[in-house]
Amino acid sequence: EAQVTQNPRYLITVTGKKLTVTCSQNMNHEYMSWYRQDPGLGLRQIYYSMNVEVTDKGDVPEGYKVSRKEKRNFPLILESPSPNQTSLYFCASSWSGASYEQYFGPGTRLTVT
Amino acid sequence: TQLLEQSPQFLSIQEGENLTVYCNSSSVFSSLQWYRQEPGEGPVLLVTVVTGGEVKKLKRLTFQFGDARKDSSLHITAAQPGDTGLYLCAVNRDDKIIFGKGTRLHILP
Repeated sequence: EAQVTQNPRYLITVTGKKLTVTCSQNMNHEYMSWYRQDPGLGLRQIYYSMNVEVTDKGDVPEGYKVSRKEKRNFPLILESPSPNQTSLYFCASSWSGASYEQYFGPGTRLTVT
Repeated sequence: TQLLEQSPQFLSIQEGENLTVYCNSSSVFSSLQWYRQEPGEGPVLLVTVVTGGEVKKLKRLTFQFGDARKDSSLHITAAQPGDTGLYLCAVNRDDKIIFGKGTRLHILP
């Protein structure tokens, strides 16, 4: 089954404790991205990757890191999480670029206390 | 200033009624996408419109791209409770994806 998977689905952590949210797709997609969704602010892109070893900032990259060492994986790293990073996070992928259909993962709800 | 302005923000109507939601911008786009998001899930693509003036139909949903490719509308005929959800429009801006804040639609049985 073609899908985007994210882990964990739910995470409660404390300020400053490094964490990684994994994202994997099995569709051989080139374009992958991370979003956060917040009430009143909508869905905002954090980082995106056009292909392996190519990453770039979205609209809200501060406090986040990403890497794209393999085509299928695109982990999101929070080196020192803060409470303002409490949010619902989505990973997405598409065949080739931002104009194509984005396939979204199920989401990760992160709470930073 | 938001690149994409969606209106209304919230809409609650009775089953069987018709409705239209809008996605507006002052910028011109080569294409525009509509997604629907249900609670607890990621957005799912409904349609991509590409040509100015284009009309696409998906069962009871009709999507139109403005002639100038700056705006789009989504019309639902005879709304059903299954249409409930968050409707998002999105565009490609220099390889980034920009979403509108969405219209939260609730259809009352």
